[in-house]
Amino acid sequence: SQQGEEDPQALSIQEGENATMNCSYKTSINNLQWYRQNSGRGLVHLILIRSNEREKHSGRLRVTLDTSKKSSSLLITASRAADTASYFCATGYGKNNAGNMLTFGGGTRLMVKP
Amino acid sequence: DVKVTQSSRYLVKRTGEKVFLECVQDMDHENMFWYRQDPGLGLRLIYFSYDVKMKEKGDIPEGYSVSREKKERFSLILESASTNQTSMYLCASSLSWPLNQPQHFGDGTRLSIL
Repeated sequence: SQQGEEDPQALSIQEGENATMNCSYKTSINNLQWYRQNSGRGLVHLILIRSNEREKHSGRLRVTLDTSKKSSSLLITASRAADTASYFCATGYGKNNAGNMLTFGGGTRLMVKP
Repeated sequence: DVKVTQSSRYLVKRTGEKVFLECVQDMDHENMFWYRQDPGLGLRLIYFSYDVKMKEKGDIPEGYSVSREKKERFSLILESASTNQTSMYLCASSLSWPLNQPQHFGDGTRLSIL
């Protein structure tokens, strides 16, 4: 079953607005990661936040993590039409041999209208 | 930059055929993964490998097998393709250590079984 659940499933905004996506998860994690997927393509890693971190920034991206609530949010500021894509959260955990495993949520489809 | 290359973007096969999906990474990563992605179900892990000739089942291994004879190459095999294996298949790789590593994805293979 999916560990992370994104909310909303779909989001439509105007260019220049901010987009916020939320992710909730159920079990303890080592880290939480956000990925982006353009239509019909592979996933691209955006940002990783460790379980002992509360907030992280990368360009127009801001990620928060609240381990007490088992939730994270991704904020994209000043959105552009090129930000149109699906965004996935993934919870990271260790496994004996592999070290870095991920469980993915179902994704948020973001549409940014020009 | 890490490059993960999947051999085909689109593939059409017939039921009962043996199907091979190939994936190659160029960053000497220990871990390699095969996922399938279906609408509404997100990404589900089929198999992963943490070293040459080492493999472990993921969440949905039934009907699939894998091969990792060389560190850079991870193959997914559909022993006898069925229509319910029509899907988008994504390969990924990552370091196994230290913890808190991203996964790097290929562009995916959209497989149709007729």
